Amino acid sequence: NAGVTQTPKFQVLKTGQSMTLQCAQDMNHEYMSWYRQDPGMGLRLIHYSVGAGITDQGEVPNGYNVSRSTTEDFPLRLLSAAPSQTSVYFCASRSAGTVLGYTFGSGTRLTVV
Amino acid sequence: DQQVKQNSPSLSVQEGRISILNCDYTNSMFDYFLWYKKYPAEGPTFLISISSIKDKNEDGRFTVFLNKSAKHLSLHIVPSQPGDSAVYFCAAIISNFGNEKLTFGTGTRLTIIP
Repeated sequence: NAGVTQTPKFQVLKTGQSMTLQCAQDMNHEYMSWYRQDPGMGLRLIHYSVGAGITDQGEVPNGYNVSRSTTEDFPLRLLSAAPSQTSVYFCASRSAGTVLGYTFGSGTRLTVV
Repeated sequence: DQQVKQNSPSLSVQEGRISILNCDYTNSMFDYFLWYKKYPAEGPTFLISISSIKDKNEDGRFTVFLNKSAKHLSLHIVPSQPGDSAVYFCAAIISNFGNEKLTFGTGTRLTIIP
C-alpha cells in the first residue's frame, strides 16, 4: 500500500517551459487536491477533484491545469513556468466518507529559473 | 486575508515538558480543525482533529483545545519527546459537500531540547 505517490521529487525548469507533476494514490480515494507550500504562507490549495471527470479551482489556480481521467491519478500541469511558481507542491487525497484523514504525498520541489 | 493564523513561527521546549502550540482563526463557519505535523522533505501527516461542537479532544500525548468564543485553538503535547521536533500546521475546513478548501496556518517549528 503505497499511499500517495508524487513524481518527480525535484525538478528545475526554465521560464516558459511546461511540465506535468504526477500524483497517484492506491487507496481508492474519491477526493484529490494539489497544494503549494511557500515560506511564510502555509499550504495553499491550487486545484481539487471530488471524483473522476470532476475538477475545480482552489485558492491559487492561475498558471496550472488539472485533469482527472481515473480515480487513481491527478496530474498537475504547469503551462508556462514562471519564477513565481518556484515552490514545494503537495498532492493529497481522502475518502469521501469523512472530512478528515487527508493523506499527503512527500512533495515535489520545483525551481523555475 | 489569513483566516488561520499561527503567530509563533518557532517554539523551543525541553524534553519531558509540555509543548503548547497556538492557532487563531477568523471564519466562524469553520466546523473542523486539524493539526498536521511535518518533517523536512516529507508531506504533512495528520495528527489530531476537533469538531467545532467540542472543546477538547485527546489522543495519547496530544490534546487539542478549542475556544470558539475566542476563535482560538491550541495543541498540547505532554510529555514532549525529541521525535516531536517538526513543523506543526493548524488547518480548518467547512465540511459541506464538495468543499475541499483546507485552510492552513503558516506553521510553527517546534524544537524539543534533550
